Amino acid sequence: DIQMTQSPSFVSASVGDRVTITCRASQDISTWLAWYQQKPGKAPNLLIYAASTLQSGVPSRFSGSGSGTDFTLTISSLQPEDFATYYCQQANFFPPWAFGQGTKVEVK
Amino acid sequence: QEQLVESGGGVVQPGGSLRLSCAAFELTFRNYGMHWVRQAPGKGLEWVTYVRYDGSNSYHADSVKGRFTISRDNSKNTLNLQMNNLRAEDTAIYYCARDQVVGRTRYFDLWGRGTLVTVSS
Repeated sequence: DIQMTQSPSFVSASVGDRVTITCRASQDISTWLAWYQQKPGKAPNLLIYAASTLQSGVPSRFSGSGSGTDFTLTISSLQPEDFATYYCQQANFFPPWAFGQGTKVEVK
Repeated sequence: QEQLVESGGGVVQPGGSLRLSCAAFELTFRNYGMHWVRQAPGKGLEWVTYVRYDGSNSYHADSVKGRFTISRDNSKNTLNLQMNNLRAEDTAIYYCARDQVVGRTRYFDLWGRGTLVTVSS
């Protein structure tokens, strides 16, 4: 099975900061990668798919990049509503549709 | 507005059974594969199971294989998850999610709010 590893597990940041989260796949998954945001008590919400395509309605301060095994989610200027946990997920080799372990973005 | 609504969660004893449902509203349910994803308290997301749009094929995570069965009724726009021989480690919020395949990409683009399953004596 493919393993997805995110780093860091926690990020302490302030409003206006640039935040970068990394996701590494244990095998080449091309660009079959999605990013989700989850706020406490809420369901996950799709942010980015195909590694770099922004889902409709997602603010442009979010961006994704990468292919193969290494991927990045960047928030260019952190906003108060962005404090949440972020997950990557691969969809190239399944089952399982593996998620990363999550990265929590906290207030510094 | 497209919506998925889960139901059926509750408290069950170890070894017991529970059946979850996910009702789909304002979407052409029969066109989409569907997943169940769970999240244990304070933990990350874990994919559980998938069923093809027409119910002809399904996949299960190793952790639930032989105990959980996914099914769907396209005439009722409903997804089901039959959970048998439940264990404490199955305690989680269970989400249903829509599988979206577009060209050479795939993702879960619509999620329900989840239903809580607690396995405890």
